[in-house]
Amino acid sequence: DSGVTQTPKHLITATGQRVTLRCSPRSGDLSVYWYQQSLDQGLQFLIQYYNGEERAKGNILERFSAQQFPDLHSELNLSSLELGDSALYFCASSVGDRGDGYTFGSGTRLTVV
Amino acid sequence: AQSVTQPDIHITVSEGASLELRCNYSYGATPYLFWYVQSPGQGLQLLLKYFSGDTLVQGIKGFEAEFKRSQSSFNLRKPSVHWSDAAEYFCAVGAPYGGSQGNLIFGKGTKLSVKP
Repeated sequence: DSGVTQTPKHLITATGQRVTLRCSPRSGDLSVYWYQQSLDQGLQFLIQYYNGEERAKGNILERFSAQQFPDLHSELNLSSLELGDSALYFCASSVGDRGDGYTFGSGTRLTVV
Repeated sequence: AQSVTQPDIHITVSEGASLELRCNYSYGATPYLFWYVQSPGQGLQLLLKYFSGDTLVQGIKGFEAEFKRSQSSFNLRKPSVHWSDAAEYFCAVGAPYGGSQGNLIFGKGTKLSVKP
C-alpha cells in the first residue's frame, strides 16, 4: 500500500456520461497530481494541485476538471465521455510542489463503451 | 521541446544477467531525473532519483542509474536480474530546483521480460 488511495478501481460507463474519480493523498502530502495512461499516449500529465490551489496544468481537456478540497483529497471530473477517454487514471502525491518524488496510487481504470 | 526517449520498447534478459535500460532526455537545464517501475495492474513505484551531486545514484531493489550530462542520458542498471524484476520501467524528468511546478514528463516505457 503506497498510502495514496484511489477510488473506484474500475469504472465502466457509456459515452456522453460523466464520472468522478477520487484520490486521497498520502498523509502529510500537500500536492496532488493527476495523470492519464493510455497505450498510444503513454503517461500524460493532466493537472497539479498544491494545498488547494491549482499549480500546473498539462494536457487536460476542457471536458475534464479537477479540484482539491480542504482535507486535501482531490477529485477528477470527466464529462461528455468519449471512447478515447478509456484509460488508466493515476493520482500521485508529494510533500512539496516541486515533484521531487511522487507516490502513486494504484489507479482507476476507466472504460467507456 | 522537453521530452524523454526510451529507445527500447521491450527487452528480454535471462535471470541472473545484467541489465541496462536506456533513457535520453531533452530539457533546457539539467532536470530532476527519475526512474519508476510499474508492475501489471499496479501504480508506479519510484526506484531512484537524481537531483544533483554524485552522478551514480543508488536505488531500491538493487538498481542504480548514472547521469551523464554530456550525453543527456540517465541509464538504469542492475548487475543481476531476478524474475521478479519483470515489469515496465519509466524514465521521467521534472523541473529543477527553482521551478514552481511539479509535473513530470515520462518516457513511453521499456517492458522488461525475464527468461528463467
